Formats: sequence, C-alpha cells, structure tokens
Amino acid sequence: NAGVTQTPKFQVLKTGQSMTLQCAQDMNHEYMSWYRQDPGMGLRLIHYSVGAGITDQGEVPNGYNVSRSTTEDFPLRLLSAAPSQTSVYFCASSYESSYNSPLHFGNGTRLTVT
Amino acid sequence: GEDVEQSLFLSVREGDSSVINCTYTDSSSTYLYWYKQEPGAGLQLLTYIFSNMDMKQDQRLTVLLNKKDKHLSLRIADTQTGDSAIYFCAETLGITGGGNKLTFGTGTQLKVEL
Repeated sequence: NAGVTQTPKFQVLKTGQSMTLQCAQDMNHEYMSWYRQDPGMGLRLIHYSVGAGITDQGEVPNGYNVSRSTTEDFPLRLLSAAPSQTSVYFCASSYESSYNSPLHFGNGTRLTVT
Repeated sequence: GEDVEQSLFLSVREGDSSVINCTYTDSSSTYLYWYKQEPGAGLQLLTYIFSNMDMKQDQRLTVLLNKKDKHLSLRIADTQTGDSAIYFCAETLGITGGGNKLTFGTGTQLKVEL
C-alpha cells in the first residue's frame, strides 16, 4: 500500500513548455485534489474530483487542466508553463468528501519555470 | 471570505510547551484541522475539532477553539526535536455539492532548540 504517489519529485521547465504532473493512489479513494504551496500563502486548491469522470475547479484553476478517467489517477496538466507557476504541488486524496475522511497527501512535486 | 492566518515562526526549547495560533474569518466553518508538514514531505493530519466543541485533547496535543473570536490554537506539551515542522491549520465549510475542500493557513514553522 503506497498511499499517494506523485511523480516527478522535481521538474524544471522553460516558459511555454507543457508537462503533466502525475498522481496515483492505491487506497480506492473517491476524492482527489491538487494544491499548490507557495511561501507565506499556505496551500491553495487548484482542481478536485469527487469520483471518476467528475472534476471541478478550486481556488486557482487558471493555467491548469485535470482529468479523472480512473479512480486511481488524477494527472495535472500545465498547458503553457509560466514563471508564476513555480511552486510545490501536492496531490491529496480521501475516501470520501466528508470531514471525518482525512486528506492523504503525496510528497509533492517541486516545479521551477524559468 | 475564507482567510486563515497564522504567525510564520515559533521557536521553543525542548521540553517546553508550544502554542501555535490560528485565526479564521468564516464563522460558518464546521470543522477545523491541524496538519503537520515535515521537510520534503506532504501534510499529515494531526487532529481536528468540530465547531461545536471548545477543546479536544489527544496525548500531547490540545486543541482549543474560541468561536466568538474565531481563534484556534494547538498546544504541544513536552515539545521534542521531532516536533520541528510546519504546522497548518485548515477549515472546511462541510460538504457543499461534494468536495473535501479545505482552506489552509499560511503555516507556522516550529523550531525546537536543545
């Protein structure tokens, strides 16, 4: 049982490049989400999904796309990277969308856009 | 609005008690959480409190909630070097059309000195 696995751990992109951050969980969790962590700003929700085939926008969705074709995977796509997207990205999942179903976090992907 | 504020740094001596404070602005918050982030890792849930409670104790951890002042605190008794980490408070409005959406504070870096 690996929990929430994020790849890659580190990535450097040039402005305008595209890439996909991978997230997979093996806990059969219905709910998955992506956060970005920036100094002095805490974590901000980018996109989330309450189940396969269903996605919705969070607080800062611009510049990012997601899809949820399977329960296990929730990739985050950057279509045209910008320096403002330099951040640490965390994927999180929970069994269901309720208060007593705590979020399980991956170890993060540190992205630098030059 | 849904702003959650914390002081950025706290330094304590090993064996002393640590108190990490958090203020939130949304009075309709139903659950409040404390997460711990160790270096290079994702966030781990420490504890949570329902909004109709004033206090919750779990071993060395004590959570106090003052709804009138919208103030949440986390007390760590007998602080150890292993407690050095970033601590985030977070609030949720409950389930609104699905989604375990949390609003995180900015995080407090706790440093434990010998």
